[in-house]
Amino acid sequence: SQQGEEDPQALSIQEGENATMNCSYKTSINNLQWYRQNSGRGLVHLILIRSNEREKHSGRLRVTLDTSKKSSSLLITASRAADTASYFCATDQNTGFQKLVFGTGTRLLVSP
Amino acid sequence: DVKVTQSSRYLVKRTGEKVFLECVQDMDHENMFWYRQDPGLGLRLIYFSYDVKMKEKGDIPEGYSVSREKKERFSLILESASTNQTSMYLCASRFDRGLLVHEQFFGPGTRLTVL
Repeated sequence: SQQGEEDPQALSIQEGENATMNCSYKTSINNLQWYRQNSGRGLVHLILIRSNEREKHSGRLRVTLDTSKKSSSLLITASRAADTASYFCATDQNTGFQKLVFGTGTRLLVSP
Repeated sequence: DVKVTQSSRYLVKRTGEKVFLECVQDMDHENMFWYRQDPGLGLRLIYFSYDVKMKEKGDIPEGYSVSREKKERFSLILESASTNQTSMYLCASRFDRGLLVHEQFFGPGTRLTVL
């Protein structure tokens, strides 16, 4: 089942602009993760935020988590052409073994 | 750095063939996963393993089996390949500390085409 749903499905911006992607989920979670996937490649982990955290930063990335709204956002500041990729959120399902459930992703295109 | 490798980047097989996809990780992770990725459907979990010789079905195990004889290696087997198994296959590994889930490390993917 798809736990995380990203919004928008696609985003097109110019270099230097900020990009914001959102993720909504349905059940309670222990943590939420964001991944990036360059075209035709594997996923690369970007950032993990736990349910007791509200905001986390890593370089040009800022992630927020609102457990009351069951949503998270990923902000990429001062975007570069190299940020062009698909971005996925993943949430754990508390079913004994912690499986990650991935959303369908946001395709980001950053034009020079 | 954790490295997850997959045996092939591209693979073309015929309907009915038995297909083996191999995945190897070099960081002694207990947990390994096989996903398939299709446009509009995101990543779907096929099988996972939390220890040697242990395997659990994911969300879409039908038509697949797995093998984990050594900790570092997790194989996905398509017993009789069908055209609807044409997809990108992604392997991942992960270390968990108790109930705390950590990041997953993915291989580069195998794009399988079944003719």
